Amino acid sequence: KAGVTQTPRYLIKTRGQQVTLSCSPISGHRSVSWYQQTPGQGLQFLFEYFSETQRNKGNFPGRFSGRQFSNSRSEMNVSTLELGDSALYLCASSIDRPYEQYFGPGTRLTVT
Amino acid sequence: GDSVTQMEGPVTLSEEAFLTINCTYTATGYPSLFWYVQYPGEGLQLLLKATKADDKGSNKGFEATYRKETTSFHLEKGSVQVSDSAVYFCALRTTGYSTLTFGKGTMLLVSP
Repeated sequence: KAGVTQTPRYLIKTRGQQVTLSCSPISGHRSVSWYQQTPGQGLQFLFEYFSETQRNKGNFPGRFSGRQFSNSRSEMNVSTLELGDSALYLCASSIDRPYEQYFGPGTRLTVT
Repeated sequence: GDSVTQMEGPVTLSEEAFLTINCTYTATGYPSLFWYVQYPGEGLQLLLKATKADDKGSNKGFEATYRKETTSFHLEKGSVQVSDSAVYFCALRTTGYSTLTFGKGTMLLVSP
């Protein structure tokens, strides 16, 4: 089975722009979660989607949003980028609770 | 809220040395506990898990025991290899949720 894939792997954006990141879960997995990883804050939960519905949300501003499509693929969007949004964004998929989450390689976003 | 505390790194060891990385947690209820490993430039890989008190998770020579009385889940390996050099994350998942709460991570450096 193919693993979780994320595109693009690397991205450079300018402050004020917006960005969309994509995640394709493992086949058969219906839950997709997003995490932000930074050196200062570590790994922080952004949101979780299941069957196209947001099921849980972390403590991030409204500039961070996401969605899930009927094939379980998910996208996250960050609008009005700030320097502090520079991070590795990780996507994880699972069949559902309480099964394990499998992580993708991440998208490295740099905001200049 | 839930939290995970790990020993700060880096932990520097010679090949074949004994490894311990401490992890303690604070959570309501009875969480599941995990160790994830992150190699340079990659996402997170599940190393081992334990879902109830006194469970021992093990994989690739690594072990950790769920200690409810001390709220701990320390990672151990009897003989480390250079290839074990990576960042190790302790995490918990509250019952009924998918969200993982991570520690800050501990970098392990193993020299020949």
